[in-house]
Amino acid sequence: GAGVSQSPSNKVTEKGKDVELRCDPISGHTALYWYRQSLGQGLEFLIYFQGNSAPDKSGLPSDRFSAERTGGSVSTLTIQRTQQEDSAVYLCASSPLKGNSPLHFGNGTRLTVT
Amino acid sequence: GESVGLHLPTLSVQEGDNSIINCAYSNSASDYFIWYKQESGKGPQFIIDIRSNMDKRQGQRVTVLLNKTVKHLSLQIAATQPGDSAVYFCAEPQWGNKLVFGAGTILRVKS
Repeated sequence: GAGVSQSPSNKVTEKGKDVELRCDPISGHTALYWYRQSLGQGLEFLIYFQGNSAPDKSGLPSDRFSAERTGGSVSTLTIQRTQQEDSAVYLCASSPLKGNSPLHFGNGTRLTVT
Repeated sequence: GESVGLHLPTLSVQEGDNSIINCAYSNSASDYFIWYKQESGKGPQFIIDIRSNMDKRQGQRVTVLLNKTVKHLSLQIAATQPGDSAVYFCAEPQWGNKLVFGAGTILRVKS
């Protein structure tokens, strides 16, 4: 079946511009995650949505970062006034269950801030 | 800080040999661990998981071993193939299903 889909796959933007990154999770998955991965690094947790519960935003690096999940499905990660240090791959993942189950990742959006 | 970490940042093995990738964790209460494989330009892909009530779990060509006494996790890949070349991450959930990832180990397979 269809996996997690992210768009765009690549985004180049100028410093100071706002960007929106989109994630379509696997149908029926109630949990959705955003991670950030800098070049050659591990994955940094950003935010977690689980059903109708309040999202866990504890990983967002600054108030320039925000995310929404509409209708329990599609999610958008927004970065305002982008900075060069925001350049990274932004990965979205979804999971069917609360509790211990593996995440299914998309292929990410590579963001380059010039 | 991170509760999981990897011992070897890069591992080079000859095709056909077995590979062992190691991971240490710090939270003795952790009860679930996952290994992911990430190929260039792709998102991490689930390989195998293990719960703390087990010390070994086998998949196709992969085995995960868990030593709770020394808080150590390893991923063994049998008869390593060029397609196994990737970055391997161990991960551990923190409250609920928020995964914390280690820094990763690069596996290079020489033909």
